Amino acid sequence: LAKTTQPISMDSYEGQEVNITCSHNNIATNDYITWYQQFPSQGPRFIIQGYKTKVTNEVASLFIPADRKSSTLSLPRVSLSDTAVYYCLVGGPYNNDMRFGAGTRLTVKP
Amino acid sequence: ETGVTQTPRHLVMGMTNKKSLKCEQHLGHNAMYWYKQSAKKPLELMFVYSLEERVENNSVPSRFSPECPNSSHLFLHLHTLQPEDSALYLCASSQRTGDQPQHFGDGTRLSIL
Repeated sequence: LAKTTQPISMDSYEGQEVNITCSHNNIATNDYITWYQQFPSQGPRFIIQGYKTKVTNEVASLFIPADRKSSTLSLPRVSLSDTAVYYCLVGGPYNNDMRFGAGTRLTVKP
Repeated sequence: ETGVTQTPRHLVMGMTNKKSLKCEQHLGHNAMYWYKQSAKKPLELMFVYSLEERVENNSVPSRFSPECPNSSHLFLHLHTLQPEDSALYLCASSQRTGDQPQHFGDGTRLSIL
């Protein structure tokens, strides 16, 4: 089971780019890396997923180095509404023992 | 709208009550999950179901009893709960067990008096 480690909290200002790094040293060959966003009293929402190199969608980019032992979620030009907890999850098909870590609490200030 | 609906959104119950939480998914997924999220703690995986069969039970006390009558519905029956069981209970689904992303409902906020 790939355990993940993220910073507990981060602060940023509106308009800045935010990079959140997740360490997953024992990631397995079949594992994907998935990032979620959670607001208070809501369930986590999928942001982005990747296996290697770089993935980009309309809200974020995900950078994964060749050894896949870490990944970085990049949020361009954050706004106040991006204040949330961000979770990195590593797992693959039929892995029934997925674990969410503590996540990173991002606070965006005006 | 995530395609996963949980009811009720809020529930207050005494320690001797019996209640049930309901989850319904409209995504055609084969796997469903129950999570517990206590204040300022990570999500804890409680139960995993695949095609109505329980495939994982992470040492959850017997006062929590899951039921999956079909691949679209999941229940969590509650009986004789303790104050420390107060938490946000989240349901999720995915195409197969272990698949990401999972699609989460917005949870039931449970308070035990």
